[in-house]
Amino acid sequence: GENVEQHPSTLSVQEGDSAVIKCTYSDSASNYFPWYKQELGKGPQLIIDIRSNVGEKKDQRIAVTLNKTAKHFSLHITETQPEDSAVYFCAASPMGGANNLFFGTGTRLTVIP
Amino acid sequence: SQTIHQWPATLVQPVGSPLSLECTVEGTSNPNLYWYRQAAGRGLQLLFYSVGIGQISSEVPQNLSASRPQDRQFILSSKKLLLSDSGFYLCAATSAEKLFFGSGTQLSVL
Repeated sequence: GENVEQHPSTLSVQEGDSAVIKCTYSDSASNYFPWYKQELGKGPQLIIDIRSNVGEKKDQRIAVTLNKTAKHFSLHITETQPEDSAVYFCAASPMGGANNLFFGTGTRLTVIP
Repeated sequence: SQTIHQWPATLVQPVGSPLSLECTVEGTSNPNLYWYRQAAGRGLQLLFYSVGIGQISSEVPQNLSASRPQDRQFILSSKKLLLSDSGFYLCAATSAEKLFFGSGTQLSVL
């Protein structure tokens, strides 16, 4: 089955700096890659996703890049703000859409004011 | 847009007591429904998923069971809770080929 690895497990950045979280996947059939943000005591919130037919997607300060050849994808947050502090999870789906998602182990991002 | 209702938000139960967590979904039809568990500071463990009424697949053998009596209702149950059942339980549903989570239930078994 699919195996998703996520790095780093913790990340601290100064407010205004950029943050990058990386994930690798093992199944070349995976074609859907969402990212979730989880604040303390809350459920994960879908913040951005990408499908294998594109290499990059942006939404304001958030972007995701996908390298199918190397089987890795990354979340980029620019101009970080304290409210970006949370745990971020990546996921991959070899079946398309949101069915059968395999999650990474999470990255705890801390933005220092 | 879809809305996932999950309750209660927090629950403290003694060892050996029964459990029933309910999840209802609005704003989407024929969703796939999921129960995940998250230990403190850890990742997401898939417990059960359902592709339709009465259709339940279990990912991890355990002390828990799930049922789907209606298209938009998903229930997580246990006859006798164990200490190891403590955790943050999340219901999730698919909508427009994306997965959305509820707000979670923090279960503490003492």
